Amino acid sequence: SQKIEQNSEALNIQEGKTATLTCNYTNYSPAYLQWYRQDPGRGPVFLLLIRENEKEKRKERLKVTFDTTLKQSLFHITASQPADSATYLCALDTYGGATNKLIFGTGTLLAVQP
Amino acid sequence: EAGVTQSPTHLIKTRGQQVTLRCSPISGHTSVYWYQQALGLGLQFLLWYDEGEERNRGNFPPRFSGRQFPNYSSELNVNALELEDSALYLCASSLGLMGANEQFFGPGTRLTVL
Repeated sequence: SQKIEQNSEALNIQEGKTATLTCNYTNYSPAYLQWYRQDPGRGPVFLLLIRENEKEKRKERLKVTFDTTLKQSLFHITASQPADSATYLCALDTYGGATNKLIFGTGTLLAVQP
Repeated sequence: EAGVTQSPTHLIKTRGQQVTLRCSPISGHTSVYWYQQALGLGLQFLLWYDEGEERNRGNFPPRFSGRQFPNYSSELNVNALELEDSALYLCASSLGLMGANEQFFGPGTRLTVL
C-alpha cells in the first residue's frame, strides 16, 4: 500500500543546533515533494518545493534533499530558534495528470529549547 | 493581497445535522482544495475544484460534497454528521496543478459534532 512516514515522535533540540526531519514514502513516484509548517490550530504554510530531478534546495536557513532511490526527503533547519517550534509536514503529489492530488504525511513536531 | 479566507471559524453541531463551510481563494486562483484534519491524523484530501468542476475527490463518503461558484469561491457540505466528522477543515488554493505549485491554506473551520 502507499504510505508516507514522518517521525511520529517529537524532535527536541537545543537552540542553535541543526534540526533534521525525515520523510519516507513507499509505492509512490512523486514528481514533486513539498514541505509545510503548521502551528497549532492554523493552516499549513508552504516552505519549500523540490522536484524529482533536483537533489537539494535551499532557502535561507532551510535545506531540503530528495533521494528518489531511497524514497526519502530530509528537511534541515540550521541555527534553529525557539520560533521554529511547530509541526512540519511533507507532502507529495500522486502522478495522474489532471487527477493528481497532494498527499500529506502526519507531520513531525519540532520543539526548539532556548 | 488577501489570503484564503474561510467561514465560520468554529461550529458546533449534533449528530445527524448538516453543515456548510465556505472558502474564498486568493484572487486569481481558480483551484480550491478541501482537507480534513482530525486530531492526531494528518491532512486528508477531500475534494478538488477547478473552474467550477469537481476534478478529484479523496476516500470520503458521498455525504461529503461541495461546489465551486463562478467567482471561484467554494462550499463544502457535510450531511448526516457523525461524531468522527469532528475535525479542522482546511481550504487551500493554488495557481496550477497542486503538486507543482504551493498551496495557500486558509485558517480552517473547527467543526465539533456532539
